[in-house]
Amino acid sequence: GAVVSQHPSRVICKSGTSVKIECRSLDFQATTMFWYRQFPKQSLMLMATSNEGSKATYEQGVEKDKFLINHASLTLSTLTVTSAHPEDSSFYICSASFLLRTGSDEQFFGPGTRLTVL
Amino acid sequence: AQKITQTQPGMFVQEKEAVTLDCTYDTSDPSYGLFWYKQPSSGEMIFLIYQGSYDQQNATEGRYSLNFQKARKSANLVISASQLGDSAMYFCAMREGGEKLTFGTGTRLTIIP
Repeated sequence: GAVVSQHPSRVICKSGTSVKIECRSLDFQATTMFWYRQFPKQSLMLMATSNEGSKATYEQGVEKDKFLINHASLTLSTLTVTSAHPEDSSFYICSASFLLRTGSDEQFFGPGTRLTVL
Repeated sequence: AQKITQTQPGMFVQEKEAVTLDCTYDTSDPSYGLFWYKQPSSGEMIFLIYQGSYDQQNATEGRYSLNFQKARKSANLVISASQLGDSAMYFCAMREGGEKLTFGTGTRLTIIP
């Protein structure tokens, strides 16, 4: 099956520092990767859509300068939370899109990264 | 208007009983897909089942089935013979046209032994 990994799984940092989260598709090349944010007891909210070699498409209300996305290859996308503040504390989940033989796309999710900003 | 509505914030079900988790959706796109995901306390999103808008039959995957009522715009998840390991958050999601998924607010299912 298609596996997506995220690193780190947990990170605690001081306010004002930047944090990088990696998302990798381990056994397939992802046409597109997605970054979601989930606050406690809430749903997943899409932050941005990332395609290899091009700029990410951000959802309305998501600051592109705050959440930098780099999609360097078909198997790796990174999310950098710049100058993190306590309100950025959240669960960040990535997913990678894979084209099935049926012609439909399916998203496979990473295990998530829990960010705590002190 | 909410694109995906899950009206049950929490449900408690006796082990081995069947459970139905409600999901209604709103779209004007004739082509769309509906998904159910399970999120245990570990946080990972586990894909359960998929229903395409043009699929004639309800999707089934093992103990999971999707009760797709297109005219009513509902896509309820049915879990048969519930198990303790089914306790988790369950999210309904919809994809219209492109690849983006829109998620509902989720239902926390607790299986009682």
